[in-house]
Amino acid sequence: EPEVTQTPSHQVTQMGQEVILRCVPISNHLYFYWYRQILGQKVEFLVSFYNNEISEKSEIFDDQFSVERPDGSNFTLKIRSTKLEDSAMYFCASGAEWSRGETQYFGPGTRLLVL
Amino acid sequence: GESVGLHLPTLSVQEGDNSIINCAYSNSASDYFIWYKQESGKGPQFIIDIRSNMDKRQGQRVTVLLNKTVKHLSLQIAATQPGDSAVYFCAAIYNNNDMRFGAGTRLTVKP
Repeated sequence: EPEVTQTPSHQVTQMGQEVILRCVPISNHLYFYWYRQILGQKVEFLVSFYNNEISEKSEIFDDQFSVERPDGSNFTLKIRSTKLEDSAMYFCASGAEWSRGETQYFGPGTRLLVL
Repeated sequence: GESVGLHLPTLSVQEGDNSIINCAYSNSASDYFIWYKQESGKGPQFIIDIRSNMDKRQGQRVTVLLNKTVKHLSLQIAATQPGDSAVYFCAAIYNNNDMRFGAGTRLTVKP
């Protein structure tokens, strides 16, 4: 069964450093998403991406965040200058259709810890 | 503002019993709802969805009920098994694709 993969599984960084979280979506999917989940809290939508541009972004996705699809397989989330409150689990998801739900698959997540 | 929440943070059931997990939402404009299962160390996994023009939908061992009058959503799991132990949360979609998640209920199945 195809799956979304994410690397690294865990990332520890110092406050102020840049981090890049990587995702390999399912190969025939066209819609890509990033979510985050602070420990013990709700999953929160960050951004959606389609046709090489951002489709939607939440208020969380400020100027320190960026996304990129540098090649035909990877989808990355960059945090330019990490803050303590960026510590969270970051989930990538991809979908075959614009609508969410059954056609959207989540990756296993990257746990980011900012010290 | 919009919010999506769950009534109970934890639920413990005996293996073989039915489980009911509840969710309340605040925005009556939501037109699509999803239930997810999240096992430890994994990403959310789609279980079942329902559109606002329906009040019930059934899957394999799972049923989702939607009561738009009181803005309430429930997930029923029949004959709960140890493998069902996980965090379950709902999500509501507003304005075509604005997605809000609930906090989650941790279901524990006792053998």
